[in-house]
Amino acid sequence: ETGVTQSPTHLIKTRGQQVTLRCSSQSGHNTVSWYQQALGQGPQFIFQYYREEENGRGNFPPRFSGLQFPNYSSELNVNALELDDSALYLCASSLGALAGGPYEQYFGPGTRLTVT
Amino acid sequence: AQKITQTQPGMFVQEKEAVTLDCTYDTSDPSYGLFWYKQPSSGEMIFLIYQGSYDQQNATEGRYSLNFQKARKSANLVISASQLGDSAMYFCAMRELDFGNEKLTFGTGTRLTIIP
Repeated sequence: ETGVTQSPTHLIKTRGQQVTLRCSSQSGHNTVSWYQQALGQGPQFIFQYYREEENGRGNFPPRFSGLQFPNYSSELNVNALELDDSALYLCASSLGALAGGPYEQYFGPGTRLTVT
Repeated sequence: AQKITQTQPGMFVQEKEAVTLDCTYDTSDPSYGLFWYKQPSSGEMIFLIYQGSYDQQNATEGRYSLNFQKARKSANLVISASQLGDSAMYFCAMRELDFGNEKLTFGTGTRLTIIP
């Protein structure tokens, strides 16, 4: 069983630039959620994708957008980067709410983004 | 709004002792789920244990057990016979379901340090 993978591991960008982060879900999982974890904080929910459609969104501006592909892998795009976007971005895969359980979300190792 | 509270920013525990990490939550939804995740310094969130709101018995997974007190809205994690490898950040999270949309809301975490 293949776990959740994310790329790249680390990334340094300049304010105003755009970035794309990638995530491959665990085998058999059709739902991907993205979280932002600032230093010293718990993860904050950005959005979730289920079968290629956005299925819920947290309190993040529209410059945070995403995609999910037919193989259930996913991308997180952030436009017009700001200094406060510096964080660990975590991707998690699961079977999703409609599966009726189990509900565990399995996380990837994360992408550490630094905006200068 | 959902809320998770972890009141212990840090804990120091002697190796082989049991440890209890506190978590309280606030929700008006009758159906919810509670998770505990471990985050080592590497950054990856590791799933430990899950408790559904309708589950009659407390969840257990090896050395981990969840002390679920529904009336008090608490979901404390108990680690028996602590090991040096248990040193990490621990996060309590609540699964929120809203018209089929699902997300996890995390607490601020507890840093556990096991002393040899």
